[in-house]
Amino acid sequence: GQNIDQPTEMTATEGAIVQINCTYQTSGFNGLFWYQQHAGEAPTFLSYNVLDGLEEKGRFSSFLSRSKGYSYLLLKELQMKDSASYLCAATTGANNLFFGTGTRLTVIP
Amino acid sequence: DVKVTQSSRYLVKRTGEKVFLECVQDMDHENMFWYRQDPGLGLRLIYFSYDVKMKEKGDIPEGYSVSREKKERFSLILESASTNQTSMYLCASRTPGAGHEQYFGPGTRLTVT
Repeated sequence: GQNIDQPTEMTATEGAIVQINCTYQTSGFNGLFWYQQHAGEAPTFLSYNVLDGLEEKGRFSSFLSRSKGYSYLLLKELQMKDSASYLCAATTGANNLFFGTGTRLTVIP
Repeated sequence: DVKVTQSSRYLVKRTGEKVFLECVQDMDHENMFWYRQDPGLGLRLIYFSYDVKMKEKGDIPEGYSVSREKKERFSLILESASTNQTSMYLCASRTPGAGHEQYFGPGTRLTVT
């Protein structure tokens, strides 16, 4: 079966750094996606990791450890607009994604 | 830019009605997906389609069916709507292959009364 865990909610201060963790147990793991979803809107792609290590993309970075079944999304210099849900999704095989329940991040002034 | 559109943003239907949710993508993607999203449960896959005329059950297909007659269009059908099908429905499409992201439509919030 597939199991993906991430914290339900997090709160962080504007300008700070926050790390959102995701652990997964999947058969035939290929890679890991992070999506951002603002309230009432569709998820939008943030990052994809297939190899171990850190991928940096502006203020956002994503890390993967395949041996530990672990990933995190790092958000730097937090802005109020970063308040959203962040979805971790593992891909197995060519066509399917398995999503976690999402982490709702609230950025406070 | 990839565009995935859904026929309605908000829909209210009565119990027992047949409901059609339409999704259209303009990037010639082979793969299309229907999810429902509920608080605390995340995104759950209902059905997906590898290509025209092809469909596969996802994790929660009961009470739903799908149709893919044309490559750009993927329809979700609720044969007899029930109150437990009140949810946000999201359509997505992608190019096949592990590293290709899914592009999501804006969602349809369906309320069954």
